[in-house]
This record gives sequence, C-alpha cells and structure tokens, in this order.
Amino acid sequence: SQQGEEDPQALSIQEGENATMNCSYKTSINNLQWYRQNSGRGLVHLILIRSNEREKHSGRLRVTLDTSKKSSSLLITASRAADTASYFCATGNAGNMLTFGGGTRLMVKP
Amino acid sequence: GAGVSQSPSNKVTEKGKDVELRCDPISGHTALYWYRQSLGQGLEFLIYFQGNSAPDKSGLPSDRFSAERTGGSVSTLTIQRTQQEDSAVYLCASSLANPGADTQYFGPGTRLTVL
Repeated sequence: SQQGEEDPQALSIQEGENATMNCSYKTSINNLQWYRQNSGRGLVHLILIRSNEREKHSGRLRVTLDTSKKSSSLLITASRAADTASYFCATGNAGNMLTFGGGTRLMVKP
Repeated sequence: GAGVSQSPSNKVTEKGKDVELRCDPISGHTALYWYRQSLGQGLEFLIYFQGNSAPDKSGLPSDRFSAERTGGSVSTLTIQRTQQEDSAVYLCASSLANPGADTQYFGPGTRLTVL
C-alpha cells in the first residue's frame, strides 16, 4: 500500500471557505512535501516540511506535521475557484524515493 | 530558467507498437525520475537516474519498459509492444540530487493512449 494516504479523497467547498486535507503515513520520514496537480498534468511543488518542524506557512497555505501520529495536514484559507485541483502528499527519506499518496481532489465552487 | 519539458504531450498508438517518450530535465539537476499516473490515481514510481550511477529500475512494471539517460541529461522512456493497460500519463521529474530530500520539479507529462 502507499506510504502516504490522503483524506478525504474528494472535497467540495464554496469559494471563501477553508479547505483542510490530511495525509497519514506509516514509516519514519525525513520530510513531507505537498504537491498540486491541475487537470492530470504535471505536479507543482507547494511546500516542504522537515521532520523536526511542526508547522509551516506559505501565503494562504498552512502545513502541520505531527510525527507522533504520523500525519500531516494542508490548510488552504480563503479558497478560490482557481484552487480547484488535486493535492498530493509525498513522504521522503534521504536516499530513498519520494512516495506519493493517492491525492485529494478539491473542488472550489464560485 | 526553463523547467522540465516532455514530448510528445499526447501520443495515441495501436496495441503492439513501440513508443518513445522524451524528458528534458532542468539544467544542473542530477536526479531524474519517471512516474506513471493512471486516470484518477496517484503516482506510480517507475525508474530513477542519479548522475552516472546505475538507475534504480525497481518500479518498472515489466520488461517491456526501459529507459535511458544520455550524457546525464535527456532521458527516453521506451515501451515495447504496448498494451491497453499502458494507457496513462507519464510524468518526468528532476531534482538537484537527493531523491528523498529535494523538491522534485515535474514536466507537463505525456498522455499515452493505447487503442
């Protein structure tokens, strides 16, 4: 099974609302990364959080990491229709491949 | 600078034909990765190149799949005797060096359809 698994698989919200996506993983990690994918094409890196960090911000994005629970969350505040995409978490360990989860499909309705 | 580029963007082929997919990584990135993504699914790791080292082929689904990277830059993924289940988006990514620690930069992908 995949190392990182996102929850929920799909999320539909209204513009202006906040969107929260969760990622759980099984083994110890060096870092956890979140990526965004539009229309089934290339992924765009959003944010990387290291195992010794608990929270990180980038614009309207807030990522938390709880290594004791082996989980991470991605919060998008004040969502916009343009945020509609699939969001993937990927766990990394130095020297090993990033392992991607199955993704959360976010739809933001205008 | 330029990002990762892939060609073709779309490829339609008949079952049994061979196809070649190309990836141009970001200049200076020593690590290059190929992934496959079926419709509505996550990314499936295929193969990883790091500098001049032997590639990690552990993700290749069958011996019909092969890849090479010439001169430490451009990579070609070849699928021989294509099957309908090979239909997917094939994504290439590159990173500075460390596969588990560095950000990966993705190309736009090649959508392969096997009829």
